[in-house]
Parts: sequence; C-alpha cells; structure tokens
Amino acid sequence: AQSVAQPEDQVNVAEGNPLTVKCTYSVSGNPYLFWYVQYPNRGLQFLLKYITGDNLVKGSYGFEAEFNKSQTSFHLKKPSALVSDSALYFCAVRDIRGSSNTGKLIFGQGTTLQVKP
Amino acid sequence: DADVTQTPRNRITKTGKRIMLECSQTKGHDRMYWYRQDPGLGLRLIYYSFDVKDINKGEISDGYSVSRQAQAKFSLSLESAIPNQTALYFCATSAARFPYEQYFGPGTRLTVT
Repeated sequence: AQSVAQPEDQVNVAEGNPLTVKCTYSVSGNPYLFWYVQYPNRGLQFLLKYITGDNLVKGSYGFEAEFNKSQTSFHLKKPSALVSDSALYFCAVRDIRGSSNTGKLIFGQGTTLQVKP
Repeated sequence: DADVTQTPRNRITKTGKRIMLECSQTKGHDRMYWYRQDPGLGLRLIYYSFDVKDINKGEISDGYSVSRQAQAKFSLSLESAIPNQTALYFCATSAARFPYEQYFGPGTRLTVT
C-alpha cells in the first residue's frame, strides 16, 4: 500500500536554529516525493521535489530535503529558521496505484511549524 | 493575477442545500483536481479530470459531483450538503507530463450548518 506519514503534528523551533520536519513514505517502485507549504489563508505552494539523482534536494525559501532510501524518509530541513517560516507543511508522494502517470498525489497529514522569535 | 482561482473563498450553507464551488486556471494545464482538507487528515482527492471528456473519481467522491466545462474550468458540486462536508476545499492543476507537479488555488472554506 502507498502511504505518507508525518509523525509530528507540530514542530517548535527558535528563530535562527535549524529545523527538521519529518516525512516517511511507503511505495512500490521508485518514489517521487514532494513538499508543499501552506501559509494561513493561502493555498499550497510547491517547495521542492525528489525525482531521481542527488539525495539532497534544494528548494524555495532556503529549504532542502534529504532523501534516504534505506530509511524511506524525505525530511525537510532548513539551516536557520525564520519566524516567517511558520506554516503548515505537507509531504506528498506520487500515487501510482492503477496507473503510473495519473499525476495523483498522496498527502501526509501535515505538520505545523512554529518558529518563535 | 493568480494562476488558479477559486470562488467563493468562504461559504456558509445549510444542510440539504445544493452548492457549487468553482475553479478556473490560466496555466493552460490539461489536468485538474479537487481535494478537501480536514485537520489531521491532510488533503484527500475527491475528483480529478485529465481533459474535458475524462473525469475520474478520487478516494472520497461520495456526495460530490464535478463538471469540466472547459479546459480552464472545473467545478465541484455538493448535491445535498451535510455537516461532515464542512472543510477546506482546494482545486489544483498539473501539466500532462512528468513529473506532474501540481499548482493549487487559494481554497474555499465551506461550512455546512
């Protein structure tokens, strides 16, 4: 079965400290993984994706994510958090059930990031 | 102007009423999707459409219907709204080519009383 899990409902970090938002996945075949961010009263915005290649993927707003095949994880990271990074973050994996080219995504339940000054 | 727009942004309706949520896009994408977001559940796919003549059910289509009026327009209807359809609804689009990255509208907050 395909699934995505974000084990933390909320992550709290002080401004200037590094942050990690965790994501683990379960898929058959090669995983195509995505991170999206949702700011209050806004739609989801694309942050970054892993398709193939380098395990460290760089994205928007200084975020990066590390793909770890052996641990089936795709954790989102940032070296120095900003208060403005406070938002809801979603991890997603391409859904290949039925067909590999539908473009459908399976989303995790979301993690709220709170960055305190 | 936003690439993916949704109307209305907020709506309060009563149980049993019919309601339509509309989505328009200027990205020229063939594929469009409707999701609902509930706290602690993430986003779940309601319906998706690959073109005007190709509409497919997602994982939670019961109680919903859709219409793809044109490449740029995809509307979601609740034929007889019920309180557990209270949620945040998102429309998304993607190109019909790998890696099918999705672009989201700002969402419609629907409350059914």
